[in-house]
Amino acid sequence: AQSVTQPDIHITVSEGASLELRCNYSYGATPYLFWYVQSPGQGLQLLLKYFSGDTLVQGIKGFEAEFKRSQSSFNLRKPSVHWSDAAEYFCAVGPRTTSGTYKYIFGTGTRLKVLA
Amino acid sequence: DAGVTQSPTHLIKTRGQQVTLRCSPKSGHDTVSWYQQALGQGPQFIFQYYEEEERQRGNFPDRFSGHQYPNYSSELNVNALLLGDSALYLCASSGVGTGTDTQYFGPGTRLTVL
Repeated sequence: AQSVTQPDIHITVSEGASLELRCNYSYGATPYLFWYVQSPGQGLQLLLKYFSGDTLVQGIKGFEAEFKRSQSSFNLRKPSVHWSDAAEYFCAVGPRTTSGTYKYIFGTGTRLKVLA
Repeated sequence: DAGVTQSPTHLIKTRGQQVTLRCSPKSGHDTVSWYQQALGQGPQFIFQYYEEEERQRGNFPDRFSGHQYPNYSSELNVNALLLGDSALYLCASSGVGTGTDTQYFGPGTRLTVL
């Protein structure tokens, strides 16, 4: 079955500390991989994506993620967290196609709290 | 360049009623996907429209239906509303080609069923 697992429901870090959010997937073939962020009551904003090539991808707001095929993982990292990073983070996967996008499968999310 | 827009922002309905939600995709996008996000959950795929036809569907009952217009905008219709239909409904647009091959989400419509 296709699935995305985000093992940490809640994470609390101090401002300025480093952050790593975990994501594991089960999909069959290697999918396209995404991280989205959602502020309270808002839609989803794309942080970064991995399609191919360098397995370390850079995104917006200083985030990066590393794709590890052997571990079926796509963990999100940030060296120094800012209070404005407090939000919910979703990992998602989608099929590799050349004819547009199809169904994305999302994890259940990790809620990040930042302590001043 | 406007992003994905959705209307209305909030909606309150009672059980058994019908509701229509609307979505306009980003400029240059021709594909619209709809997701349901229940409280505390990740988004769940409802269906996708491309070239005015439903191209892919998730595990949702026939009470959920949609439409896509020639200008690529889309509607999500839910009939015979249940309490469990209360959720944030997200629309995402995408297309084919560099810069359009990722789903970009709108702000969502919050539906409350009483």
